[in-house]
Amino acid sequence: AQSVTQLDSHVSVSEGTPVLLRCNYSSSYSPSLFWYVQHPNKGLQLLLKYTSAATLVKGINGFEAEFKKSETSFHLTKPSAHMSDAAEYFCVVSDDSGTYKYIFGTGTRLKVLA
Amino acid sequence: DAGITQSPRHKVTETGTPVTLRCHQTENHRYMYWYRQDPGHGLRLIHYSYGVKDTDKGEVSDGYSVSRSKTEDFLLTLESATSSQTSVYFCAISESRTSGVNEQFFGPGTRLTVL
Repeated sequence: AQSVTQLDSHVSVSEGTPVLLRCNYSSSYSPSLFWYVQHPNKGLQLLLKYTSAATLVKGINGFEAEFKKSETSFHLTKPSAHMSDAAEYFCVVSDDSGTYKYIFGTGTRLKVLA
Repeated sequence: DAGITQSPRHKVTETGTPVTLRCHQTENHRYMYWYRQDPGHGLRLIHYSYGVKDTDKGEVSDGYSVSRSKTEDFLLTLESATSSQTSVYFCAISESRTSGVNEQFFGPGTRLTVL
């Protein structure tokens, strides 16, 4: 069965420094992977998705993620944090065994310090 | 933004009362989902639908039922609300997977408080 683990529940960075949010997945099939962002009291917005076309995926707002099959990881990065990046981030794997489900990580709350 | 609305956006109710939340989409997407979001748990799937009148349970379905009589509407019902069902509820939609990877689009959420 698919599962996803977000390794850090909270991450704090200073504005202008790099961001790294870690995600590991478990999947018996070729996974479909996503990162979503949720700003306070808002819904979820797609940042990027892994389509198997390229292992390095670029998303919105300068975020990118690299799919590493050997490490079963899909970490989210950004070279330089901005105050507006403060939010909660969710790593998601879709169940491609035919059940139409998506499995969410428990989230990483990113704090950006001035 | 995908055309997804949820109603009501906020609701306060009392233990033991029935509650129905509505999700409405204008995208004609096949799949619809109900999640609840609680601190430390991320989003957990309650029920989902893969077509009109076709639904299945998620990981936290106890105490909830759903119905989908039209493509655009997916209703979540709490037959007898309990305080443990106080949460934020999100609806999501996605398109058919025959074209490959498909992301979900989310509604704005409904904050439900059961006293």
